[in-house]
Amino acid sequence: KAGVTQTPRYLIKTRGQQVTLSCSPISGHRSVSWYQQTPGQGLQFLFEYFSETQRNKGNFPGRFSGRQFSNSRSEMNVSTLELGDSALYLCASSLLAGINQETQYFGPGTRLLVL
Amino acid sequence: KQEVTQIPAALSVPEGENLVLNCSFTDSAIYNLQWFRQDPGKGLTSLLLIQSSQREQTSGRLNASLDKSSGRSTLYIAASQPGDSATYLCAVLPDGQNFVFGPGTRLSVLP
Repeated sequence: KAGVTQTPRYLIKTRGQQVTLSCSPISGHRSVSWYQQTPGQGLQFLFEYFSETQRNKGNFPGRFSGRQFSNSRSEMNVSTLELGDSALYLCASSLLAGINQETQYFGPGTRLLVL
Repeated sequence: KQEVTQIPAALSVPEGENLVLNCSFTDSAIYNLQWFRQDPGKGLTSLLLIQSSQREQTSGRLNASLDKSSGRSTLYIAASQPGDSATYLCAVLPDGQNFVFGPGTRLSVLP
């Protein structure tokens, strides 16, 4: 069974631009969570989608948004990029959501550099 | 608000040593606790999952314990190997929320 895939793996953008990252979960998994990882803040939860609905959202500004499609693939979008958005963005999938999700399976991440 | 801390932040040991990584969380109302491994620039790999009703879990050379009442978990690695070098993160699943991660312990096992 294929693992979680994320595209692109690396991305360089300039301040003010917007970016869209993609995540394909493990087949059969309906929950997709997104995280931002930086050296200073560690791994921080962005949002979780389950069956095309956002279930949970972390403490990030409205510039960060996401969506999930009927095939469970998910995208996250960051508008008006800032230097501080440079990070490794990780996607994780699980069979169920919330307290029932047990373990999460992580993708390799997308490394975003904002210049 | 749930907060997770990990001690030490970094650890360097010679090959063959047994070692313990520590994780603390502020709110004991959790559904499970999980230990992950992350290699540089890569995603996370789940190592062990402990449900809130359990006290410990074992997988090979790894043993994780959970003391929910005191808000602590330990990850014990026996007979460490250079391939164990990575960052180890613990994460808790609080009520009604998503996983909350600790900052990680960076482990280096020297040959």
